[in-house]
Amino acid sequence: AQSVTQLGSHVSVSEGALVLLRCNYSSSVPPYLFWYVQYPNQGLQLLLKYTSAATLVKGINGFEAEFKKSETSFHLTKPSAHMSDAAEYFCAVSDGGAQKLVFGQGTRLTINP
Amino acid sequence: NAGVMQNPRHLVRRRGQEARLRCSPMKGHSHVYWYRQLPEEGLKFMVYLQKENIIDESGMPKERFSAEFPKEGPSILRIQQVVRGDSAAYFCASSPLDRNNSPLHFGNGTRLTVT
Repeated sequence: AQSVTQLGSHVSVSEGALVLLRCNYSSSVPPYLFWYVQYPNQGLQLLLKYTSAATLVKGINGFEAEFKKSETSFHLTKPSAHMSDAAEYFCAVSDGGAQKLVFGQGTRLTINP
Repeated sequence: NAGVMQNPRHLVRRRGQEARLRCSPMKGHSHVYWYRQLPEEGLKFMVYLQKENIIDESGMPKERFSAEFPKEGPSILRIQQVVRGDSAAYFCASSPLDRNNSPLHFGNGTRLTVT
């Protein structure tokens, strides 16, 4: 079975600083990997996805993630944090057929002014 | 172009009552997924449906929970005889294609509170 581990349930950075949210996965087959963002009282919005094409994936709002097979990682980064980035971020892996996603526990990102 | 529509946004039920959660997928989407998010946890898959068919219900509790996606109308997640542990946010998602790399589009969720 596939699984996802997000290191750090809470991450706090200053506005303008680098954002790094960590995600490690386990999978017995080549995975499809996703990052979603959830703003308070809203549903999940897709940030980016990895589907075995380029290992560096660019998403919306200036986020990007790099797939590293040797490290089984798919960390999310953004060079310069903005106050509007404050939200909960979920890493997910596709578990076999269709879109039965396995989600990590989530990382709550706080941006300090 | 409306996204995935869920209603109600908030639902309060007393223990023992029934809860019905509705989900209308995006236009053109024929695949519906239900996920549950317990407090301070990530989303957990519950069930995957296509029109008039349950494809995968491996994440559904064995009792009290059922789901349907009729030929006409929204998908319904039904919880009978609710208990406090059912309090959670329930998210519906839809996709147009049955492929691993077709992203899900999520609704804003129904937050169920059982008192």
